[in-house]
Amino acid sequence: GESVGLHLPTLSVQEGDNSIINCAYSNSASDYFIWYKQESGKGPQFIIDIRSNMDKRQGQRVTVLLNKTVKHLSLQIAATQPGDSAVYFCAENVRNSGNTPLVFGKGTRLSVIA
Amino acid sequence: DAGITQSPRHKVTETGTPVTLRCHQTENHRYMYWYRQDPGHGLRLIHYSYGVKDTDKGEVSDGYSVSRSKTEDFLLTLESATSSQTSVYFCAISERRTQETQYFGPGTRLLVL
Repeated sequence: GESVGLHLPTLSVQEGDNSIINCAYSNSASDYFIWYKQESGKGPQFIIDIRSNMDKRQGQRVTVLLNKTVKHLSLQIAATQPGDSAVYFCAENVRNSGNTPLVFGKGTRLSVIA
Repeated sequence: DAGITQSPRHKVTETGTPVTLRCHQTENHRYMYWYRQDPGHGLRLIHYSYGVKDTDKGEVSDGYSVSRSKTEDFLLTLESATSSQTSVYFCAISERRTQETQYFGPGTRLLVL
């Protein structure tokens, strides 16, 4: 099985509903954010990114919202489909971070109920 | 997977043996990274490279070494594998180091007995 997904928070949604996945970040120096999707047994796949000079960015069926005041990032998936079932995690680029430019969250498992 | 391959995809080895994982890219990106992914942790950076023969340590580099003799290849070596190095290893690439998406390979699942 997929051991990297153990103990993750899980979001279950009905097929066709909208999904909202949240990510809190702690570093106010973070200036660039990425959402990744990871299916079982595969590598993380880029979904969408946003820079700190923006508060919203839209892609195909996905929207990322950035609230710098409360250091919160969210990924909205419209009309969720079974193929959206995966672990989603955010990554933040911490300015002047030395050797670790990207810091990754632990992720949320999205389960789509058909 | 953005023109990134990893080999082997699965490996079982014994404690104390050396292990080398290979990452190969066809995108001609300057930066290459090795991460490990474990339950309860996000992806953690082991080492990265910013050019041929130019490498630097990440946050969990102890017990690992890397080499990059060509732009397209980045090798990760476990000098003497330990059970704590059982993990899934991912290679990633990017054109720039900061403010830039990293694209990941399919991963190598390593079990150290």
